[in-house]
Amino acid sequence: NAGVMQNPRHLVRRRGQEARLRCSPMKGHSHVYWYRQLPEEGLKFMVYLQKENIIDESGMPKERFSAEFPKEGPSILRIQQVVRGDSAAYFCASSPGTGVLEQYFGPGTRLTVT
Amino acid sequence: AQSVTQLGSHVSVSEGALVLLRCNYSSSVPPYLFWYVQYPNQGLQLLLKYTTGATLVKGINGFEAEFKKSETSFHLTKPSAHMSDAAEYFCAVNILTGGGNKLTFGTGTQLKVEL
Repeated sequence: NAGVMQNPRHLVRRRGQEARLRCSPMKGHSHVYWYRQLPEEGLKFMVYLQKENIIDESGMPKERFSAEFPKEGPSILRIQQVVRGDSAAYFCASSPGTGVLEQYFGPGTRLTVT
Repeated sequence: AQSVTQLGSHVSVSEGALVLLRCNYSSSVPPYLFWYVQYPNQGLQLLLKYTTGATLVKGINGFEAEFKKSETSFHLTKPSAHMSDAAEYFCAVNILTGGGNKLTFGTGTQLKVEL
C-alpha cells in the first residue's frame, strides 16, 4: 500500500509566481490535512479537507492561499504571488476518517522563493 | 485551545545512554497525544500514541512514553540510544472537534547521538 505521495519534492519559484503543491492520500483515505513547517519551527496546521469539501481552514492565510480536494485526483495547495516568507516545507497528511486519530504524512514539498 | 511545549530544542546523548525528550501539553479536554520522528528531508513517521487506557505506551524502535495527567506530561524515553535515533522528534496533541481533528505540534527536539 503506497504511502502519502507529494509532488514535487522541491519547488523553486520567483517572487510573484504561483506555486502548486500536490498530495495524493493513502489508498482508502478520504481526509487530507496540510501543514506548513517554517525553518526552526514545528508544523502548523493549515487546512483540513474531505472530498470536495473544506472542513477547517482556520490555519490558512487569508490571502493568496487556497486548497482543494476534488472528487477525482490529488489535493492541491495553491499559493498565488509567492513571497520570500512562503519559503517552507509543506506537508500533507491523510487519514481514513474523522474518528481515526492517526494521520499519515507524506515526504513534504520544500518550497523556495527566490 | 490546546498547546504543546517541548523543553530543549537540542538534546545530545552518548550511544547506549538513556534518551529522555520532554513534552508538556495544555488541553481543556482529555487529550490524544503523539510522538512523531522526522529524519532529514523526510516526512513525519508516527512513533507512538496515547488515546485512552494504559498510560505507558510502547512504540516502534524501542521508544516508549508515559502519559501523566497530574503533570500534563508525555515524555518520550528509550533506554539505550543508537546512532540511528539521531533525528528530530515532535510531540503533538490532537483533539476531536466538530470540524474533524487536527494536530498541534511542539517546536521539536533535535536528538544528537554521539559515539
